[in-house]
Amino acid sequence: EAGVAQSPRYKIIEKRQSVAFWCNPISGHATLYWYQQILGQGPKLLIQFQNNGVVDDSQLPKDRFSAERLKGVDSTLKIQPAKLEDSAVYLCASSFGTGGWEQYFGPGTRLTVT
Amino acid sequence: KQEVTQIPAALSVPEGENLVLNCSFTDSAIYNLQWFRQDPGKGLTSLLLIQSSQREQTSGRLNASLDKSSGRSTLYIAASQPGDSATYLCAVKDTGFQKLVFGTGTRLLVSP
Repeated sequence: EAGVAQSPRYKIIEKRQSVAFWCNPISGHATLYWYQQILGQGPKLLIQFQNNGVVDDSQLPKDRFSAERLKGVDSTLKIQPAKLEDSAVYLCASSFGTGGWEQYFGPGTRLTVT
Repeated sequence: KQEVTQIPAALSVPEGENLVLNCSFTDSAIYNLQWFRQDPGKGLTSLLLIQSSQREQTSGRLNASLDKSSGRSTLYIAASQPGDSATYLCAVKDTGFQKLVFGTGTRLLVSP
């Protein structure tokens, strides 16, 4: 069974530029998550989708971050414009459903903003 | 608001030792608790998932316990090996907001 796929793996941009990350969840998983992990910290949930609807985006900085999950499968996370403090690893995860289902994580995208 | 704490923040042991990593959480209303391993520059690998109705889970040399009423979990690693060197993260999924809340991790170094 293929795992959660993410691209790119690494990205370096200058502040005020824009960037987009892509995630393809495990086949059949209805729930998709984007996390931000700053160096030395645990991951923090940015947004959670159930199929193509948003369940929780309470910690998403909506003035610069956006995410979509068209057709309820793969998803993109965009940052525009980027700030220095956005330097982090962005992790995508998926699960069969909400509640007690296990979450499976992708390899992450390491973003460096200079 | 759920908060997860992991102690110690870092641990260095010689190969072959048995060790215990600790995780505590403030709200006992959880669906489950997961232990993850994270290698430098990599994503998260799920090690063990304990549902709220369970007391422990085992996988190979790993054993995780859960005491929901006291808000604590431990990850026991038997006969540690250099390949176990990584950061270990604990996360709980609470029934309120239904999202994983992570601790800051324990960085483990096992020396040959």
